[in-house]
Amino acid sequence: GAGVSQSPSNKVTEKGKDVELRCDPISGHTALYWYRQSLGQGLEFLIYFQGNSAPDKSGLPSDRFSAERTGGSVSTLTIQRTQQEDSAVYLCASSPGHFNTDTQYFGPGTRLTVL
Amino acid sequence: LAKTTQPISMDSYEGQEVNITCSHNNIATNDYITWYQQFPSQGPRFIIQGYKTKVTNEVASLFIPADRKSSTLSLPRVSLSDTAVYYCLVGDVFYGQNFVFGPGTRLSVLP
Repeated sequence: GAGVSQSPSNKVTEKGKDVELRCDPISGHTALYWYRQSLGQGLEFLIYFQGNSAPDKSGLPSDRFSAERTGGSVSTLTIQRTQQEDSAVYLCASSPGHFNTDTQYFGPGTRLTVL
Repeated sequence: LAKTTQPISMDSYEGQEVNITCSHNNIATNDYITWYQQFPSQGPRFIIQGYKTKVTNEVASLFIPADRKSSTLSLPRVSLSDTAVYYCLVGDVFYGQNFVFGPGTRLSVLP
């Protein structure tokens, strides 16, 4: 079946511009996660949604970052006034949201380059 | 938040068993441990997840001691295609919070 999809796959923007990244989770998955991976670095957790609600936003790097999820499905991660240090691959994952064990399925990522 | 550490790199030969250990000394009661595999320019791929003792699936085993301060991913009989970066992830899957990745272990499988 269809996996997690993200768009765009690549985004090049100028410093100071706003960008919006989109994630389409696997159908029926109630949990959705955003991570980022800077060049040559490890993975960093940003935010988690259960349904449309994000109980903890403290993982977002700054107040320029925001995320929302509507209809329990698509999520968007918005970065305002982008900075060069925002350049990274932004990864989205979804999971069924079961409380015993839960497996996250990752999308291919959006590579963001801020010039 | 749990701080996680892993060896930066490991080398192995085809057909050998590989064990990669992740340390997570201040793991919380509700935290689970998950391991992922990542190839260049691809998103991580789930390998295995556990809470305590031993978990086994068709591709790997996960050993977690009673104190849960570490976990070991075991890959039986690796092949060249297992060359990748392996990440451990510790976090509360009940509430979807406090997820912390280890720095990743770059495994190189040699012929």
